[in-house]
Formats: sequence, structure tokens, C-alpha cells
Amino acid sequence: AQSVTQLDSQVPVFEEAPVELRCNYSSSVSVYLFWYVQYPNQGLQLLLKYLSGSTLVESINGFEAEFNKSQTSFHLRKPSVHISDTAEYFCAAWAGDKIIFGKGTRLHILP
Amino acid sequence: GAGVSQTPSNKVTEKGKYVELRCDPISGHTALYWYRQSLGQGPEFLIYFQGTGAADDSGLPNDRFFAVRPEGSVSTLKIQRTERGDSAVYLCASSPTGSHEQFFGPGTRLTVL
Repeated sequence: AQSVTQLDSQVPVFEEAPVELRCNYSSSVSVYLFWYVQYPNQGLQLLLKYLSGSTLVESINGFEAEFNKSQTSFHLRKPSVHISDTAEYFCAAWAGDKIIFGKGTRLHILP
Repeated sequence: GAGVSQTPSNKVTEKGKYVELRCDPISGHTALYWYRQSLGQGPEFLIYFQGTGAADDSGLPNDRFFAVRPEGSVSTLKIQRTERGDSAVYLCASSPTGSHEQFFGPGTRLTVL
């Protein structure tokens, strides 16, 4: 079955600490992978995407994700988080003609 | 430029009533998608339009749900005989031809009392 699994529903982390949000996908989905972010009271925004080429992709605000085919993972990382990163993060994969989303991980930044 | 817009932003209705949710995609985007996001869940696919036709409606949960896109632009999601379990945020997204990137609207929060 096609699926995207986010292993943590919530991740608390202190400000300026590093963070990793985990994501695994089933091998039955294509390897077009995405991270979307939903800030409080806002719509979904694309954070970064992997379509082909370099397995390490970066966003403009310091996040990066690495496509790992052998582990079927696409974990999201940031070396130092800021209070403004408080949001829900959704890992997603292209599945034929639609996107399949994980259940989301709520990133909670502690002062 | 203008993004995807959805109206209304909030809709409260009573069980058994009919509702219509509207999506106005980015101009020129040929693909349009509807998703439903329940509390604590990620968005779940409902239906995909390429132009005026529904290319994939496999995510519609039952025949109470229907969507149209008569002129290949604005789309309306229609829900008949609403049930409390239909309460969710309904998201619309659009995409240019051949792109895997989808641009999402702010959603319509539907509450069925």
C-alpha cells in the first residue's frame, strides 16, 4: 500500500538546538518527495522537494532533507531552530496523480 | 500574484443539510485537487481535475460528495446530507501542467452540528 509515515506526532526542542523530523515512505510511491509546513492559522506551504539529482535538498530558511533510497527515508533537519519555526510539518510523496501526506509532526520550540 | 482562494473560510451547518465549497485556483493552472484534513491528520486526497474533467475521484468517501469544474477554472465541492463526520478542513490545491508541485489554498473549515 502507498503510505508516508511520520514517526513523531510532536517534537519539542529548545530554541537554537538542532532538530530532525523523521519521515519514511513506502516503496510503492514514486520518489518525488516533499515537506510542507503549516504555520498556525495559515495554509500549507511547500518547504522543499526532491524530484531528482542531488539527494540533499535545502529550503531558504535553513531546513534540509536527504533522500535515502536504501532506507526509504526523507528526514527533515535544521541545525538551529528559531521560535518562528513553530509549525506543523507534513512529509508527502507523489503517488501517480496525487500527493499522499503523512499525519504531520508538530514542532514545538521551547524558550 | 494571487494564490489559490477558497470560500467560505468557515462554514457551520446542521446535520442533513447541503453545502457547497468553492475553490478559485491560480490563473492558468490546469490541475486542481481537493483534499480533506481531519483533526490530527494529514490532508487526504479526494478528487483531481485536469481541465474540466475529473481525472481521479477515487478519494471521494461516498456518493454524498461530488465536485465540478465546468469551465476548467473554479471548482465547487458539493456535500449532500452532511454528517457530523464530514467536519474537517477542506483544502484545494492547483498545479501547472506537468508540475508535481501543488499550491494550496487556506482551506474551508466545515463544522457539521
